[in-house]
Formats: sequence, C-alpha cells, structure tokens
Amino acid sequence: AQRVTQPEKLLSVFKGAPVELKCNYSYSGSPELFWYVQYSRQRLQLLLRHISRESIKGFTADLNKGETSFHLKKPFAQEEDSAMYYCALSGQGGSEKLVFGKGTKLTVNP
Amino acid sequence: DAGVTQSPTHLIKTRGQQVTLRCSPKSGHDTVSWYQQALGQGPQFIFQYYEEEERQRGNFPDRFSGHQFPNYSSELNVNALLLGDSALYLCASNLLWGSGNTIYFGEGSWLTVV
Repeated sequence: AQRVTQPEKLLSVFKGAPVELKCNYSYSGSPELFWYVQYSRQRLQLLLRHISRESIKGFTADLNKGETSFHLKKPFAQEEDSAMYYCALSGQGGSEKLVFGKGTKLTVNP
Repeated sequence: DAGVTQSPTHLIKTRGQQVTLRCSPKSGHDTVSWYQQALGQGPQFIFQYYEEEERQRGNFPDRFSGHQFPNYSSELNVNALLLGDSALYLCASNLLWGSGNTIYFGEGSWLTVV
C-alpha cells in the first residue's frame, strides 16, 4: 500500500532555531518524494523534490531508503516559514498521482 | 500566466444535488488531476485526465466523474451529494511527458453540502 505518514500535526519553534518536519512513507518500488507547502491563504506549491537535490528557501530533505523517510530540515527557521507542510510521493516520473500525508502545521515564533 | 484556475471558489449545495466544478490548467500543460481535501487532511487523489481520457483513478465512487475538453480544461462532477462530500476540491495540472513534470495546484473550490 502507498502511504505517507507525518507524525506531527503541529510543530512550534522559535525564530533562528533548527526545524525538522518528519515524513515516513511506504511504497512498493522506487517512489519520487516531494514536499509541498501552503502559506496562509495561498495555493499549495511545490517546495522541493528529492530528485532535484535543490535547497529551496534554506530547506533540504534527504531521502533515506533504509528508513523510508524524507524529513524536511532547515538550520535556522524564519517567521515567514510558518505554513502547512505536506509530504507526498508518486510513482517514477512524477506525473503519477500524488499520495499526501496529513500535513504538519509549522509555527515559527518571534 | 495565471497558473491553474478554478471556479467557483465557494459553493453550497443540498444533499442529493449535483455539482460541477471547473478547472483551466496552467498554460502549456496537458494533464489535469483532481484532489479532494477534507478538513484537517491531506489532499486525496480522485482522478487524472490526459488526452480527454481518464488515465488514473483513486478510491472514489462512481458518483465522482470528470471530463477533459480539447483545450485541456476539465470538469469534476459529483452526483447525489452527501454531507461527507463537503471539502476543498483541488485541481492540479502538469505536462505528462517532459523534463521536470512539476505539478501545479489551483486555489481550490470549497464545497459545502448541507
């Protein structure tokens, strides 16, 4: 079965602190992993995907196939990072359906 | 480029009624997918359309149907509405074949069934 688990519904950190949003998945085969972000009153948008290995807005995520995890990290959180974060997976190619986790609401306090 | 656009943004329907939601994909995209996002949940895949055909379908009943037009725009139809159909319906588009294949989302249509 394809499943994405985000164990934290809410996460609160102070500005400048490191932040890690957890994501675990189950999938038969080699999925593509994504992080999507939704800022207040804005549409869902792609933050990063594992195959591009980019760092977007200071966020990185490493795919750990052994632990089937794709945790999102940022060394120094900013207030503008406050948003809803969704981890998602798809089949190879990235055009297949996305399977989303339930999301983690990150709040960065001043 | 306006990106993915959806209409209407909000609507209220009564149980048993039917609803049609509309979506225009991002310019240059040929594939449209629909997702249902209930409150407090992540988006759930309903189906995907490419070349006017349903390409993939999620675990949704036949009450949910769709269509894709020659200009790539799409409609989602839900018949015999239930209270549990109340949700945000998201349209997403992408280019099926090509580098990147990034999926872009619209702002969604909020459906309330009373």
